[in-house]
Amino acid sequence: EVQLVQSGAEVKKPGATVKISCKVSGYTFTDYYMHWVQQAPGKGLEWMGLVDPEDGETIYAEKFQGRVTITADTSTDTAYMELSSLRSEDTAVYYCATASSSGEAQFDYWGQGTLVTVSS
Amino acid sequence: QSALTQPASVSGSPGQSITISCTGTSSDVGGYNYVSWYQQHPGKAPKLMIYDVSKRPSGVSNRFSGSKSGNTASLTISGLQAEDEADYYCSSYTSSSTRVFGGGTKLTVL
Repeated sequence: EVQLVQSGAEVKKPGATVKISCKVSGYTFTDYYMHWVQQAPGKGLEWMGLVDPEDGETIYAEKFQGRVTITADTSTDTAYMELSSLRSEDTAVYYCATASSSGEAQFDYWGQGTLVTVSS
Repeated sequence: QSALTQPASVSGSPGQSITISCTGTSSDVGGYNYVSWYQQHPGKAPKLMIYDVSKRPSGVSNRFSGSKSGNTASLTISGLQAEDEADYYCSSYTSSSTRVFGGGTKLTVL
């Protein structure tokens, strides 16, 4: 069974950096890209970026370029999303999501989400 | 990359059919057969319902179907049931190799 288990909720001050983890099991970590998706309270889903665990190559959404870093540790089958220069608008649930053998364009499996609260 | 355009809300009675549209551009929806749809209940992670425009993952009811014409994709839910009440999001692959979501549609089952 494929599982994506994310780290726990975080509370950060404006200007700080947060790093969230996503540990996978049930499939070969390097087979599929890992994506990160932001969902602010009461708002929609926003794609942040992806990492190819095979070679570490990343692609980021323009909105988050320069503030987000997505990495993959193949020794622990864990992906990370680091978001810097936090502001109140970054208060959101962050999901990791990955594809499957059906193709790389969709998100078959999701983590449970990690709530990040940015508050002074 | 702008978000794909979805209606904010749709509604239908049990047993009826509804369709949710998702409009993009030739750089995303219109350019690739890589549109997917997600169902999200409050407080839960999204669930994949349709991928590659019209394919259903194993375990998803055949009441859910997808299609595409030009730059607009559609999700149709037939035989509406109370448990279908949720938010629905479309997503597409883009010419920049990024992904983009729609703004989301709240489905109310009357």
